[in-house]
Amino acid sequence: AQKITQTQPGMFVQEKEAVTLDCTYDTSDPSYGLFWYKQPSSGEMIFLIYQGSYDQQNATEGRYSLNFQKARKSANLVISASQLGDSAMYFCAMRETGGGNKLTFGTGTQLKVEL
Amino acid sequence: SQTIHQWPATLVQPVGSPLSLECTVEGTSNPNLYWYRQAAGRGLQLLFYSVGIGQISSEVPQNLSASRPQDRQFILSSKKLLLSDSGFYLCAWSSGRLGLADTQYFGPGTRLTVL
Repeated sequence: AQKITQTQPGMFVQEKEAVTLDCTYDTSDPSYGLFWYKQPSSGEMIFLIYQGSYDQQNATEGRYSLNFQKARKSANLVISASQLGDSAMYFCAMRETGGGNKLTFGTGTQLKVEL
Repeated sequence: SQTIHQWPATLVQPVGSPLSLECTVEGTSNPNLYWYRQAAGRGLQLLFYSVGIGQISSEVPQNLSASRPQDRQFILSSKKLLLSDSGFYLCAWSSGRLGLADTQYFGPGTRLTVL
């Protein structure tokens, strides 16, 4: 079974609108961490936001927020007020307690912001 | 602040030739270091990670090897490249001191084409 599932291969959003990128995960570890990265066409992976499994509140970083629903095992990324520069590939990743230093990545969602 | 460098940025090599990709980190000491490979249109696959000089863990048995001759230098090598070694290689570092929240920061990547 896939550890990280991103079901949206591609998404479009109008500039200044909000967009939600889906991520579901599968783990039996009680403690785990969830990460979102952005990969522009240049290729570099840029860290956006982190959510710990025991964090009481949803993580936020500027225009990025994480809609964490533990019972549903989902960790969706919400980007508010989309900008043209947000057009990129977005990856969800997980670190499990039993996984040591390993980050397991999803297959990504390609986001395109339109005028 | 910390920076991570990779070189070369792009590389075209014939099948059967050797490979050496280099990654260096500045502005931190004793980082955890990682090598990932990203096939076209896919997520990242962890190849190797290192928690210290001379300490290398391999995640996927393959044609590649890694070495860490200095604290902030990580090298990915191959004696004989295969066509399947083509891809985008990313180096990353983390502090190794934040448990599940230990965020990995990525370099600009090397695009390798094996012909």
